[in-house]
Amino acid sequence: SQKIEQNSEALNIQEGKTATLTCNYTNYSPAYLQWYRQDPGRGPVFLLLIRENEKEKRKERLKVTFDTTLKQSLFHITASQPADSATYLCALNNAGNMLTFGGGTRLMVKP
Amino acid sequence: KAGVTQTPRYLIKTRGQQVTLSCSPISGHRSVSWYQQTPGQGLQFLFEYFSETQRNKGNFPGRFSGRQFSNSRSEMNVSTLELGDSALYLCASSLGGTGGPYEQYFGPGTRLTVT
Repeated sequence: SQKIEQNSEALNIQEGKTATLTCNYTNYSPAYLQWYRQDPGRGPVFLLLIRENEKEKRKERLKVTFDTTLKQSLFHITASQPADSATYLCALNNAGNMLTFGGGTRLMVKP
Repeated sequence: KAGVTQTPRYLIKTRGQQVTLSCSPISGHRSVSWYQQTPGQGLQFLFEYFSETQRNKGNFPGRFSGRQFSNSRSEMNVSTLELGDSALYLCASSLGGTGGPYEQYFGPGTRLTVT
C-alpha cells in the first residue's frame, strides 16, 4: 500500500540556520507533491507545489526538491525564524484534488 | 476575500447519534474536499465534490457521506457515530476543474468529540 514517511520526531534548530525536512514515499508514483504548514488548532496552509518533471522549486526562503528516483522530497527553510515553528506536511497526488498526506514533522526554531 | 468557513467549530455527540458539518468555500471555488485528522492516522481524505457531484472518495465506511449545493457550499454527515470518529474534520476548497492539481485552502476545522 502507499506509504508516505516524514520524520515524526520534532526538528529543533537555532534561529538563522537552515531547516531541512524530509518526505519519503513508497508504492506510489505521484505526479505532484505539495507542502503545507499547520499551526496548532488551525487548518493546513499551502506553501509550495512541485511537479514530477521539476527538480527544484523556490519561493522566498523556501526551497523544495523532488527526486522521483529516490522517491523523496526535501523541504528547506533558509534563515529560519521562530515564527517558522509549526508542523510541516507533505502531500502527494496524481490528479485532481485528492491528496495523500504524510504524518508531518514538527519544526521548532529557537531564538 | 473571505476564507473557508466551517460550522460548528466544536461539537460533542454521543455514540450512535448522527452529525452534520457544514463548509462554505471561498467565493468562486467550485471544489470542496473533506479530510479527517486524528493523532494516530493523521490527515485522511474523505471525499471531494465538484459542481454538486462527488468526484473522488477515500477509504471510509458508508456512514460518512456528503453533498454539495449549487452555491458550492458543502455538508458532510456521519451516521451512527462511533468513539473512533472523534477527530478534527477539515474542509478545503479550490478552483477545481480540469488540469489540476490546484492549491487547496483549508478551513479551521470542526472538532468532533464522540462520548
